[in-house]
Amino acid sequence: AQSVTQPDIHITVSEGASLELRCNYSYGATPYLFWYVQSPGQGLQLLLKYFSGDTLVQGIKGFEAEFKRSQSSFNLRKPSVHWSDAAEYFCAALRKTSYDKVIFGPGTSLSVIP
Amino acid sequence: DAGITQSPRYKITETGRQVTLMCHQTWSHSYMFWYRQDLGHGLRLIYYSAAADITDKGEVPDGYVVSRSKTENFPLTLESATRSQTSVYFCASTGGDSPFFGQGTRLTVV
Repeated sequence: AQSVTQPDIHITVSEGASLELRCNYSYGATPYLFWYVQSPGQGLQLLLKYFSGDTLVQGIKGFEAEFKRSQSSFNLRKPSVHWSDAAEYFCAALRKTSYDKVIFGPGTSLSVIP
Repeated sequence: DAGITQSPRYKITETGRQVTLMCHQTWSHSYMFWYRQDLGHGLRLIYYSAAADITDKGEVPDGYVVSRSKTENFPLTLESATRSQTSVYFCASTGGDSPFFGQGTRLTVV
């Protein structure tokens, strides 16, 4: 069955520290991959996406993600976290052959210590 | 304005009542989705639609009905609301690129 996993339920980092959020997927073929961020009481905002090509993709707000086919991973990174980055982060996947649905990981809650 | 809008943003209803959540997108995206978000469960797909008049069940469809007579609208109806349907509901759409989400509807069933 297709699935997206995010091993870390909650992460706490200090402001200014680097961040890496993990995401693994299980699909028959490489899907489209996304990272979304959700601030409290808000909808989901797209941070970045991977369709094909360069495995390191840049997104908004200083985020980047690296696609690793061998590890079925799409980890999100940021070199220096700001207090405003505290939010819920969702990794998601969409099957290329049929845009029937998006599968979300369970989310990682990020707390930032000033 | 272009985008995807949900209405109402907040709704309180009584058990047993019918309630409809609206979703409207201006991009003419083919695919539209309804998710519910609950603590401990993340986002779960309720229904999706590949085009007008084509809908299909997602992970948690029981108690919900959808229709899609026009490409831009995808209403979600709770036929007889139950307390377990208290949740935040998100509509999304995609035309083959990134899915875009509405701001959500917070529904409370009392």
